[in-house]
Amino acid sequence: EDQVTQSPEALRLQEGESSSLNCSYTVSGLRGLFWYRQDPGKGPEFLFTLYSAGEEKEKERLKATLTKKESFLHITAPKPEDSATYLCAVPQAGTALIFGKGTTLSVSS
Amino acid sequence: GAVVSQHPSRVICKSGTSVKIECRSLDFQATTMFWYRQFPKQSLMLMATSNEGSKATYEQGVEKDKFLINHASLTLSTLTVTSAHPEDSSFYICSAEQSDYGYTFGSGTRLTVV
Repeated sequence: EDQVTQSPEALRLQEGESSSLNCSYTVSGLRGLFWYRQDPGKGPEFLFTLYSAGEEKEKERLKATLTKKESFLHITAPKPEDSATYLCAVPQAGTALIFGKGTTLSVSS
Repeated sequence: GAVVSQHPSRVICKSGTSVKIECRSLDFQATTMFWYRQFPKQSLMLMATSNEGSKATYEQGVEKDKFLINHASLTLSTLTVTSAHPEDSSFYICSAEQSDYGYTFGSGTRLTVV
């Protein structure tokens, strides 16, 4: 059964304090690993898609990396506006994405 | 590109009534759309896959007769919560896959049943 596990569940950082979020996955034939950002009361906002081990993608203060078993979302020098829930997902056999439980990030100034 | 519009954003209904939520792909055609449900502080749980011109595929444990899905055109899927009860109160989100942009999500509908 395809599975996505994220850690930690919650993360509190000071502004400028870099850290990483983890997403471990178990799928039969990876067809992409997706990262989304979700603000309260909103739908998920697309961040990155990674397809093969060793791949990296960056966007502003975020960088996503992928290995054969897990993905990391690195946040460099975060700002309060980076506070959100970050979701990791993989497509299941029926093409729909299945999500991890997310990591709620709080960045204080 | 690849915008998904979802309406309404919020709805309050009385117990026993039905509520319809619309999900539209604005600038692309979507033969398949997905409906998710999200409870407070939990992740998105797939409810069903909506296929244009055919019956929806429901996930295990989702009541087909309570959550009616219609995908009558390539740009519109609707989810109707029938005979709603307070336990149906949740955040409902639709999604569609577009070849160039991947999976795009609507802004969600907050349903409150009183």
